[in-house]
Amino acid sequence: QKEVEQDPGPLSVPEGAIVSLNCTYSNSAFQYFMWYRQYSRKGPELLMYTYSSGNKEDGRFTAQVDKSSKYISLFIRDSQPSDSATYLCAMTPSGSARQLTFGSGTQLTVLP
Amino acid sequence: EPEVTQTPSHQVTQMGQEVILRCVPISNHLYFYWYRQILGQKVEFLVSFYNNEISEKSEIFDDQFSVERPDGSNFTLKIRSTKLEDSAMYFCASSDSGGSRNEQFFGPGTRLTVL
Repeated sequence: QKEVEQDPGPLSVPEGAIVSLNCTYSNSAFQYFMWYRQYSRKGPELLMYTYSSGNKEDGRFTAQVDKSSKYISLFIRDSQPSDSATYLCAMTPSGSARQLTFGSGTQLTVLP
Repeated sequence: EPEVTQTPSHQVTQMGQEVILRCVPISNHLYFYWYRQILGQKVEFLVSFYNNEISEKSEIFDDQFSVERPDGSNFTLKIRSTKLEDSAMYFCASSDSGGSRNEQFFGPGTRLTVL
C-alpha cells in the first residue's frame, strides 16, 4: 500500500462549482497536512497547512483532516478558471525539518 | 513577498558530467530542502539541511549527491556524475524555525536534462 494515495483525475468542473479533492494515507505518524497547488512546469505553491484533525478555512478554500479515517480533503468553493492546476497533498510526521511525503496530485480543470 | 529562487531554470548536461543546482532560500529561513519530480511522477524528498548539516536524506540521495551552504544566502545541490535517470525537475524549499510548524515554501525549480 502506498503511503499517500491521491486520485490523479483529471477532474473537470464548470466555473462556480464546488470542488472536492481527497487523499488517504497509511502512516499514522503523519501529524501535519498540507495542500499545494502546482501549475504546469512550476514549483508547488503552499495553499493550506493544518495540524491534526479538524477544519481550516481560508477564503474559498477549506481543508479537512480526519485522522481516525486517515483521510484529508480540500474543498474549493466558487471555483474559477484560474484554479485550474494540479493539487498536491503532502504530509509529515512532525513539525521540524521533516520530509514531506506527497500524493501524486489531482489535475483540475475549471471550465469557463 | 519573499520567495525561494533557483538557478538555472533549465540545465542540459551530458551523462557523467557534474552539475550544481543553486537556490536562494527565503532570507530568515533556517531549514532547507531539495526535492525532485520526474516527469509525470510524484514530488520526492531528497534531503533536508539545518545548521550546516544534513538532517535527513532519502535513499535517492546517494553518494553522487551532495549539498552545501557555501555562504549566508545560497544552498546548492551537486550531482557528481549525472545519469540519464537524474533527468527531472529539482525543487528547493525552505522553512523557518518557528515552533513546530514546518510550512515549506518551494522555488520554481530547475529542469535538469541529462543526455
